[in-house]
Amino acid sequence: QVHLVESGGGLVKPGGSLRLSCEASGFIFSDFYMSWIRQSPGKGLEWLSQISENSATTQYADSVKGRFTISRDNAKNSLFLDMTSLTSDDTGMYYCVTEGGFGDYDWFDPWGQGTLVIVSS
Amino acid sequence: DVQMTQSPSSLSASLGDTITITCRASQRIGRWLNWYQQRPGKAPRFLIYGASTLQSGVPSRFSGSGSETHFTLTISSLQPEDFATYYCQQGYYTPRTFGPGTKVEFK
Repeated sequence: QVHLVESGGGLVKPGGSLRLSCEASGFIFSDFYMSWIRQSPGKGLEWLSQISENSATTQYADSVKGRFTISRDNAKNSLFLDMTSLTSDDTGMYYCVTEGGFGDYDWFDPWGQGTLVIVSS
Repeated sequence: DVQMTQSPSSLSASLGDTITITCRASQRIGRWLNWYQQRPGKAPRFLIYGASTLQSGVPSRFSGSGSETHFTLTISSLQPEDFATYYCQQGYYTPRTFGPGTKVEFK
């Protein structure tokens, strides 16, 4: 059974840093692109970053470019998101997501249960 | 970025009803449109890709249609587990973007 488990969220002060982790199981992790998606009351669901199967390519939303870094360790079936210079706008639930696809189409599935990040003084 | 809008933002319905949710894209996206369901306290669940193809395991009472900028999600014969929030997502442009959601509530 496919399983994604995020960890590392918590309360952090503005300007602070945090590292999110996601442990994958039940599928061949190294075969898939992975993404981080955030959900917040103000902005809804927001795709943040993507990494290719072998880490060769990464992409970021403008809102986090230069502040967040996505990485993965295929040997440990793990995905990471290093977040710096956090602001209150970064508050939200952070989901680790597998990118599936068929033919020309791709989608986000499955999703982890999420880890909550609160940026507040 | 491609802006996705949904209407209505919420609706009230009863068991057995048929409902339709509309999703619009600010640019033409062909049929690169996905739908997700999110129940309270849970992560989103993938339902439909390519505007109309049901993911494996999704009940046939769910159906999707549309292309380019106008899409719909229809749920026929609403069941208790269908009361949730539904999101559309475009998969044509980067960054991938989501609609704001439509909450389906029990009347």
